[in-house]
Amino acid sequence: GDSVTQMEGPVTLSEEAFLTINCTYTATGYPSLFWYVQYPGEGLQLLLKATKADDKGSNKGFEATYRKETTSFHLEKGSVQVSDSAVYFCALEGLQGGSEKLVFGKGTKLTVNP
Amino acid sequence: DTAVSQTPKYLVTQMGNDKSIKCEQNLGHDTMYWYKQDSKKFLKIMFSYNNKELIINETVPNRFSPKSPDKAHLNLHINSLELGDSAVYFCASSLLSEQYFGPGTRLTVT
Repeated sequence: GDSVTQMEGPVTLSEEAFLTINCTYTATGYPSLFWYVQYPGEGLQLLLKATKADDKGSNKGFEATYRKETTSFHLEKGSVQVSDSAVYFCALEGLQGGSEKLVFGKGTKLTVNP
Repeated sequence: DTAVSQTPKYLVTQMGNDKSIKCEQNLGHDTMYWYKQDSKKFLKIMFSYNNKELIINETVPNRFSPKSPDKAHLNLHINSLELGDSAVYFCASSLLSEQYFGPGTRLTVT
């Protein structure tokens, strides 16, 4: 079945450091891909998405490019801030019974120190 | 203006009890979901409803019964609670592939 693998955390960075969180997927067809962010004590929020190969999703300085050839959707940010500390989830969208179904990776906890 | 709301936020109960978690969305979406997040932050879909009709049921024990009285509400009732049911439960709704999550309900079974 469909699956998402993302790098194990936790990741600890200093403010203004470069961030990469790796994500690869296994799926039939070409699913839409997402990054969600979960701040402490909150629900998940959509950070960015890409719906087809070579699409680049971007939001709040984060970027990820849909790479069909490597089945990857790595999350990057050039300069992280303390406020970026959160858990990041990579996900793909599959269809089941006519309904969208998100399959999540295990999450990567990011801590940014001042 | 809360888009997806859940009550209660925290729920502490003893094994064997029956409890319910309520979810409401004011986004006008047709599709709603329940997810379970375990202590290691792993998220797994439990159920999906589209316009009050059950679409996805992911091998969840039948002690868990979702109910959708209308398309803005999706409640989760759990019978005979077990220790392993302790988790954070998230409700979500979706439109055009984007899912909007509620703040979660932390269930602790003692």
